[in-house]
Amino acid sequence: AQSVTQLGSHVSVSEGALVLLRCNYSSSVPPYLFWYVQYPNQGLQLLLKYTSAATLVKGINGFEAEFKKSETSFHLTKPSAHMSDAAEYFCAVSVGSGGGADGLTFGKGTHLIIQP
Amino acid sequence: DAGVIQSPRHEVTEMGQEVTLRCKPISGHDYLFWYRQTMMRGLELLIYFNNNVPIDDSGMPEDRFSAKMPNASFSTLKIQPSEPRDSAVYFCASSLFTGELFFGEGSRLTVL
Repeated sequence: AQSVTQLGSHVSVSEGALVLLRCNYSSSVPPYLFWYVQYPNQGLQLLLKYTSAATLVKGINGFEAEFKKSETSFHLTKPSAHMSDAAEYFCAVSVGSGGGADGLTFGKGTHLIIQP
Repeated sequence: DAGVIQSPRHEVTEMGQEVTLRCKPISGHDYLFWYRQTMMRGLELLIYFNNNVPIDDSGMPEDRFSAKMPNASFSTLKIQPSEPRDSAVYFCASSLFTGELFFGEGSRLTVL
């Protein structure tokens, strides 16, 4: 079965610093990978997704992620953190042919804290 | 579009009572998912539907949980009888076959 592991339940960075949130996946077939963000008391919203078209994926709010098959990783980055980036971030994987239409398996989440 | 609409946003009930959570997916989406979120277990997929038909309910914790989708614009998740360990935030999400899930704002359930 597919799974994802997010390293670090909490990550703290200074405003303006690089954001790096780590995600490793486990899958026996080429995966579809996703990053979602959750703000307090809200549902999850899609940041970006990898569906094999390009290994470097750009998403909303200046975030991007790079798929590295050799490392089974899909880390999320942003060059310069903003206070509004403070939220919970989830990595997710699907191996269904529907690119996620069969449901996603989520990681435990990483709480991103932005220090002023 | 109004997005995925869930009700109620908050529910407080006593152990043993029946709880019904409701979801209206985005019009035109043919997949609907129910997830549960807790601090201990994170986000768990409970069940999902395709064209109103349940496809995978292997995540439903036990027989006390049931879900229905009588038409393309409405789904319910029912817990009967409820227990304190059912306290969680329940999310409904919908998608097209292309897979991007659109989540509702969730229903926070507290069972006393």
